[in-house]
Amino acid sequence: DTAVSQTPKYLVTQMGNDKSIKCEQNLGHDTMYWYKQDSKKFLKIMFSYNNKELIINETVPNRFSPKSPDKAHLNLHINSLELGDSAVYFCASSQVFYGANDEQFFGPGTRLTVL
Amino acid sequence: QKEVEQDPGPLSVPEGAIVSLNCTYSNSAFQYFMWYRQYSRKGPELLMYTYSSGNKEDGRFTAQVDKSSKYISLFIRDSQPSDSATYLCAMSPYSGGGADGLTFGKGTHLIIQP
Repeated sequence: DTAVSQTPKYLVTQMGNDKSIKCEQNLGHDTMYWYKQDSKKFLKIMFSYNNKELIINETVPNRFSPKSPDKAHLNLHINSLELGDSAVYFCASSQVFYGANDEQFFGPGTRLTVL
Repeated sequence: QKEVEQDPGPLSVPEGAIVSLNCTYSNSAFQYFMWYRQYSRKGPELLMYTYSSGNKEDGRFTAQVDKSSKYISLFIRDSQPSDSATYLCAMSPYSGGGADGLTFGKGTHLIIQP
């Protein structure tokens, strides 16, 4: 069973469109994250979410919004897509925000291409 | 200065060689240090996880942390072609990443030549 899954795996869309990426974890974790990996492979945190507490990295445009329908899901909504949004987006989860000997598990990634 | 510096490579070595991968960092609050392996078009998978300074060994992999120098290393012994991947160092003040998540290096692209 896949611990952290994302759909779709590939997403190609036009500038200006609105799109969503889904993430699900079956590990029973309380905390989920979204990271962006740019063309230079640099992974950077976008959001972290735990028990309805959302932490937003200050560099993330407000066109991006995570939504959590339940503890196992954290979906990423992107409005008015721009060329610079093209990247690979990774979802991750960990047990809690501040646990002992905790680790983050990553999903397989969603490759977004904005034309 | 970026918080975490890592040489992107590529680093190409012959099969069986010992590989040394390194990261330096500037934030003295980092206490937890990780190495992730990422194959092409896949998600990062955790290889090694260490807390504070010291060494940790797991099979062919050894992770070292020197907090006084703000320097971490990953050694791979008897390297195999299947070890060819991008290796990302990651670190955090908190065990699971905390609210700020993990801070990653840019990753080193490693190629093991058969």
